[in-house]
Amino acid sequence: GESVGLHLPTLSVQEGDNSIINCAYSNSASDYFIWYKQESGKGPQFIIDIRSNMDKRQGQRVTVLLNKTVKHLSLQIAATQPGDSAVYFCAEKERPGGSYIPTFGRGTSLIVHP
Amino acid sequence: DAGVIQSPRHEVTEMGQEVTLRCKPISGHNSLFWYRQTMMRGLELLIYFNNNVPIDDSGMPEDRFSAKMPNASFSTLKIQPSEPRDSAVYFCASSFQGPGNQPQHFGDGTRLSIL
Repeated sequence: GESVGLHLPTLSVQEGDNSIINCAYSNSASDYFIWYKQESGKGPQFIIDIRSNMDKRQGQRVTVLLNKTVKHLSLQIAATQPGDSAVYFCAEKERPGGSYIPTFGRGTSLIVHP
Repeated sequence: DAGVIQSPRHEVTEMGQEVTLRCKPISGHNSLFWYRQTMMRGLELLIYFNNNVPIDDSGMPEDRFSAKMPNASFSTLKIQPSEPRDSAVYFCASSFQGPGNQPQHFGDGTRLSIL
């Protein structure tokens, strides 16, 4: 799994398997969390977000789980496809007030083998 | 939908030269962010504008870096003079800041190489 600010881990999966990418965040006061996907040569692309008053949110083939007790966030990708190969970043909103300025982790590289 | 547009996509120049990176945010967004991405330090926030006003430039590495946002549809990040350690991918992102949280939308970046 990944911790905000540390080295880049790698997750290798077979096509069709489910993937789980983990993230440990640092600030118990963070109230908004986002997952981004970054493909080679492109900018980070928003995947899904979750607010701190929720513990689960589902999108298309993706689910984000939030455990505030242990400050842990995970991204689950169902039926992983080769096109899911990318670096995945979690981000947390740390700064107080209405402005949204996220802090990004270093990312997890997902490699999907056909 | 036009996303965040950055130019140039690639820039190679010699140290000491002035470099200007450009960004057009998504229409209707009121916040703009400049980031730098390297393997060593990941994504670093350099500066953040809200309604064209710089709000937080604490991430700007040194006085060689400057950023402007003359209007809601254009921003520049300038490095003068450039140094080899400035080599990185520079991203611009925009979002709408209002009640509630909204995610940022990123451009595809400018890959900068300083020789």
